[in-house]
Amino acid sequence: AQSVTQLGSHVSVSEGALVLLRCNYSSSVPPYLFWYVQYPNQGLQLLLKYTTGATLVKGINGFEAEFKKSETSFHLTKPSAHMSDAAEYFCAVISNFGNEKLTFGTGTRLTIIP
Amino acid sequence: EAQVTQNPRYLITVTGKKLTVTCSQNMNHEYMSWYRQDPGLGLRQIYYSMNVEVTDKGDVPEGYKVSRKEKRNFPLILESPSPNQTSLYFCASSLARTGDRNIQYFGAGTRLSVL
Repeated sequence: AQSVTQLGSHVSVSEGALVLLRCNYSSSVPPYLFWYVQYPNQGLQLLLKYTTGATLVKGINGFEAEFKKSETSFHLTKPSAHMSDAAEYFCAVISNFGNEKLTFGTGTRLTIIP
Repeated sequence: EAQVTQNPRYLITVTGKKLTVTCSQNMNHEYMSWYRQDPGLGLRQIYYSMNVEVTDKGDVPEGYKVSRKEKRNFPLILESPSPNQTSLYFCASSLARTGDRNIQYFGAGTRLSVL
């Protein structure tokens, strides 16, 4: 079975500061990993994904994430936070074969302090 | 424009009054899902459909029904809503269920309150 743990349900950072949102996964087979973002009053949209190949993946709006197999982590980062980054962020995992469904973490709400 | 459309966006109802939330996608996706989002619990899958006339239970199916008579539509039915079904609901679609074909496109959500 697979699972996702997002450390910190709420994260606050100052505008211009580094954003780091943590995600650890559990999967018995090689995973595909995703970050989704949910802006207020909207549905989720894909921010970035890791399937195979390069372990550092870049997404929209300056976000990136690094797949670290040894740490079973897929943390999301952005060098400099912007007010428009305030949203809820969800990490998700699915195995790259088999019959498991996409599993979401419980989400991290990011607040940007002016 | 590729999109998943849910209606209504907001709904207030009373216990026991049947309701349907519609969902339609224009991307010819095979796989569709319904989720509910509750604070601290993230997204939990209610039902999913692999294709027309193929539906199955997700993690929290009790009190819900779905149907998939056409590829583009996947309505969520609450036959007898109860207050514990007050939640934010999302419909999503993707090419397939597995692997990197499961990049999901979400509707804007339906906020349901059951009094």
